[in-house]
Amino acid sequence: SYELTQPPSVSVSPGQTASITCSGDKLGNKYVCWYQQKPGQSPVLVIYEDNKRPSGIPERFSGSNSGNTATLTISGTQAMDEADYYCQAWDSTTAVFGGGTKLTVL
Amino acid sequence: EVQLVESGGGLVQPGGSLRLSCVASGFTSSNFWMHWVRQAPGEGLVWVSRIFSDGSSTSYADSVKGRVTISRDNAKNTLYLQMNSLRAEDTAVYYCARGLGARSSLDYWGQGTLVTVSS
Repeated sequence: SYELTQPPSVSVSPGQTASITCSGDKLGNKYVCWYQQKPGQSPVLVIYEDNKRPSGIPERFSGSNSGNTATLTISGTQAMDEADYYCQAWDSTTAVFGGGTKLTVL
Repeated sequence: EVQLVESGGGLVQPGGSLRLSCVASGFTSSNFWMHWVRQAPGEGLVWVSRIFSDGSSTSYADSVKGRVTISRDNAKNTLYLQMNSLRAEDTAVYYCARGLGARSSLDYWGQGTLVTVSS
C-alpha cells in the first residue's frame, strides 16, 4: 500500500519560515493537499492541488510538489500556526494521509 | 455556511455494531463526494471510506473493508457509516468530510463523533 512519510516534529521561531515535508514514491505525479489541526479541533484544509490556497487561508501558507517530496511552507510563522499538519494524496481509489507533523513555534 | 454534524458515536462492546450519521447543511450535498475519516486518540488521521454524489460508487480502506458500509440519503442530506464486528482498534473520533471530486481534497469537516469499542 502507498505510504506518505512526514517528520514527527518541526520547530520554528516566530517570524521565520517553517518547512514541512511529505515523502512518497513518485509523489510529484499526484496532487497533494495539506491539513492543519489544532488541539481539540477538526482538520482544516490549508493547501490543495499541491499549491492552491482555499479562501480564507493566509498567504503565508504555500505548497510545492516535485519528485518524491511535497513541501508545506509557512512564511513569517506566527504563534497561531502551532498545530499538527497532515499531507494527503490519492492512491487509486484510496486516500492516504501522512503520519502528521507537530509544528512548534518557539 | 457549510456545516457537517456527526452523531451516533458511543460506547460499544467488541463485536458490536454502530451506525454513524452526518447531516449536511449550507450546500447541495447531492453534488459532492462524501468521506469518513477517523482519528484514534493521540494518533493521526486515517481515511475510512468515500461515496459518490449519487451513491453509485463507494470505496473503503483495507482496515475496514467487509465490516463497514457507507451510504447516503440525499433527500435527507445525510451520510451514514454502518460499522459491524467492531474491534478495539476501531476506537476513534470519526469525522465526515466533503470532497469536491473523486480524488480531491476534503474541504469541509464535521466536528467528529467518538466511537469507543470496549468491554
